[in-house]
Amino acid sequence: DAGVIQSPRHEVTEMGQEVTLRCKPISGHDYLFWYRQTMMRGLELLIYFNNNVPIDDSGMPEDRFSAKMPNASFSTLKIQPSEPRDSAVYFCASSFRSGGLTYNEQFFGPGTRLTVL
Amino acid sequence: GDSVTQMEGPVTLSEEAFLTINCTYTATGYPSLFWYVQYPGEGLQLLLKATKADDKGSNKGFEATYRKETTSFHLEKGSVQVSDSAVYFCALLNTNAGKSTFGDGTTLTVKP
Repeated sequence: DAGVIQSPRHEVTEMGQEVTLRCKPISGHDYLFWYRQTMMRGLELLIYFNNNVPIDDSGMPEDRFSAKMPNASFSTLKIQPSEPRDSAVYFCASSFRSGGLTYNEQFFGPGTRLTVL
Repeated sequence: GDSVTQMEGPVTLSEEAFLTINCTYTATGYPSLFWYVQYPGEGLQLLLKATKADDKGSNKGFEATYRKETTSFHLEKGSVQVSDSAVYFCALLNTNAGKSTFGDGTTLTVKP
């Protein structure tokens, strides 16, 4: 199994530019999570999906951030316009319910390190 | 709401020392409890888990016991190695939601 795949691994952009981060969850997983990690704020949950439907986006910092999951094997997190304070490592994670009842641990991707100049 | 409080770091130990990282939680119902580890430049990965009271999770010499009476899930290892240097996160997964609540992470450095 390839695990959760994220691209790009590193992104450097200038303030005001649009940034799109991509994630491919593990096949068969029905939950997908986007996190942001910084030294100051630690690990923050931005949004999560169940069966491609957004369930909780209360962690999305502002309207500049948007996330989509058009199908079970792909999700994007977009920042438009980007600002220097968006610089962070963004993680995607996926998980599944076994037997339709039991939640399981999350599997994290390697992250995208975003630097906004 | 759910919350996880873990021991503040950083923690610095000598090789072969005993490790304890404290974790307590607040949750409704009967959550599952996890320890994740994050090595430099990588994502979090599951270290061990326990799904009900009195369960003991173990992996790679690390152990943690789900204590409902003290709402705790402390991580222990009898003899740490330099390769154990990483950030450790305690987390809970409530059975009425699909998302986990994470602690702030504890940075462990093991010196030779």
